[in-house]
Amino acid sequence: SQKIEQNSEALNIQEGKTATLTCNYTNYSPAYLQWYRQDPGRGPVFLLLIRENEKEKRKERLKVTFDTTLKQSLFHITASQPADSATYLCALTGAAGNKLTFGGGTRVLVKP
Amino acid sequence: GAGVSQSPSNKVTEKGKDVELRCDPISGHTALYWYRQSLGQGLEFLIYFQGNSAPDKSGLPSDRFSAERTGGSVSTLTIQRTQQEDSAVYLCASSLPRLAGDRETQYFGPGTRLLVL
Repeated sequence: SQKIEQNSEALNIQEGKTATLTCNYTNYSPAYLQWYRQDPGRGPVFLLLIRENEKEKRKERLKVTFDTTLKQSLFHITASQPADSATYLCALTGAAGNKLTFGGGTRVLVKP
Repeated sequence: GAGVSQSPSNKVTEKGKDVELRCDPISGHTALYWYRQSLGQGLEFLIYFQGNSAPDKSGLPSDRFSAERTGGSVSTLTIQRTQQEDSAVYLCASSLPRLAGDRETQYFGPGTRLLVL
């Protein structure tokens, strides 16, 4: 069955450092992969999308890589700030491009 | 502009009762999705509406769950004969039409927190 795995352990990181999150998937051929941020009590907020034919995407302090051979995406937050503390969700979509299949999310805590 | 809104924000009900959850998508968004997020679980797809096409109901967990979308805008998710395991946050999302440039991005509402006693 399709499976999307994110590190369930919280990532504690010092302000200014780079946080790196991993998303691994099996039995899936995604057309594209997205990363969302979710704060407590709120709905997810879109951050970045990367397509199957793209290797890397950047947006401000965020960078996403996508390796369809390894079936893995890495999500980096550079120069992390306490305001980056949240849960980060990886989501995949197939070629039909409708529903998202989410990983369990990784909680990030940036300490000042 | 206004984002996706959901009501009520919180709902407490007794086991066996029916509940209705409402979603108002962003104006102009033809696609609408319902997801469920249980405590400690990831988001789980429930149902998807795209324009006038037949909805994708493949994620509905049982026949106690149903959803409709009237006039291509507002959607209602109905849970009949609620059970304690239905307790979760129910999230609605919308996205642009299929041919739009940013159609893959889903915009989520704040969710409805349902507690079944």
